[in-house]
Amino acid sequence: NAGVTQTPKFQVLKTGQSMTLQCAQDMNHEYMSWYRQDPGMGLRLIHYSVGAGITDQGEVPNGYNVSRSTTEDFPLRLLSAAPSQTSVYFCASSYSKFRRNTEAFFGQGTRLTVV
Amino acid sequence: GDSVTQMEGPVTLSEEAFLTINCTYTATGYPSLFWYVQYPGEGLQLLLKATKADDKGSNKGFEATYRKETTSFHLEKGSVQVSDSAVYFCALSETGGFKTIFGAGTRLFVKA
Repeated sequence: NAGVTQTPKFQVLKTGQSMTLQCAQDMNHEYMSWYRQDPGMGLRLIHYSVGAGITDQGEVPNGYNVSRSTTEDFPLRLLSAAPSQTSVYFCASSYSKFRRNTEAFFGQGTRLTVV
Repeated sequence: GDSVTQMEGPVTLSEEAFLTINCTYTATGYPSLFWYVQYPGEGLQLLLKATKADDKGSNKGFEATYRKETTSFHLEKGSVQVSDSAVYFCALSETGGFKTIFGAGTRLFVKA
């Protein structure tokens, strides 16, 4: 049971570059979300999705895009990386209409540095 | 909107000391409540949960009781170990909803 898989684990980008952080879950969860974690600031919600084809903004969406073409995948795109986007990014999933369980499952995180 | 407030850290304890991390919440309806733990270099993982008032969640010696009258879900452990050093997050899941709302996290250091 893989759970939530994030890739890559580490990434260094130059300012202005773009990249996609991948997230996949195999639990048939409807809800998926992306957070960033900065020192002393806990988790901040970037974007979330309540199902395939449906996405919405969280607290800090600027500079990021998401899409949800399948239930399993929820990639996060950085359009033009900035040093302020240096952070640790976590993908999470929860809730299935087939098994009511609102516990969130997290990936291992992607540590991103923008230079 | 719904929110979670937890005590600021860091909390530093000696091994075998008693631990309390306070957590209070604001929510409409009857949310589920959670404690997550994040060990260094890892993602968050569920530590314990409670889904209704007066429920007690417990795991690995940690406990927390869902107190609706005080809107609290304080985390306790009777005797901490060095291996408990981590960041602890209190969280709630909205009634009938999808979102999980997290507190800011409390870092715990346990000294040998």
